[in-house]
Amino acid sequence: AQSVAQPEDQVNVAEGNPLTVKCTYSVSGNPYLFWYVQYPNRGLQFLLKYITGDNLVKGSYGFEAEFNKSQTSFHLKKPSALVSDSALYFCAVRDSNSGYALNFGKGTSLLVTP
Amino acid sequence: GAVVSQHPSWVICKSGTSVKIECRSLDFQATTMFWYRQFPKQSLMLMATSNEGSKATYEQGVEKDKFLINHASLTLSTLTVTSAHPEDSSFYICSASPREGLRETQYFGPGTRLLVL
Repeated sequence: AQSVAQPEDQVNVAEGNPLTVKCTYSVSGNPYLFWYVQYPNRGLQFLLKYITGDNLVKGSYGFEAEFNKSQTSFHLKKPSALVSDSALYFCAVRDSNSGYALNFGKGTSLLVTP
Repeated sequence: GAVVSQHPSWVICKSGTSVKIECRSLDFQATTMFWYRQFPKQSLMLMATSNEGSKATYEQGVEKDKFLINHASLTLSTLTVTSAHPEDSSFYICSASPREGLRETQYFGPGTRLLVL
């Protein structure tokens, strides 16, 4: 079985400050981890993924995430938030032993204020 | 690259009618396409996985006779909501995994908002 948890419904950050959106996962095999962003009434846009290799993954729009196996976490980070980063962020996981279907977290709403 | 389109972007229909939603991978061939449903302020729920040329695999609780999925080519999958009812109103999103290259990554369409009156 595989699952992913996003413990925060909403994260509020002032523009220019660093942001973190949390994600923890549970899989039986090796995890394939993803972050997607969704703007209102739109589909999901791929931000970054971890499959193997370096634990620090860099993605689109200045976002990065760190894979921590011991803590089973894959938190999304950005050094300096922009107002335009305000959106809904989804963490997703796939077990390397399963098919290609993703299991999504419930989403975290990020609000960046000027 | 890796663009997925959906048509229509929104549709309003009367209860009892059927609605077809198309999902196309525009610049890559997709071995596998996925259909998700999203309720307001909630996460995506996987409905079914479709592989080109074979029957779709439906998630538990999803009626296969209600939600007909056809994956006739490597660039097109369709979802038909048959005899739609108001409770079928939702945001339907498809995704596609490339046949070659980054197979582990899913690329999502912009979604189709369905309102059944």
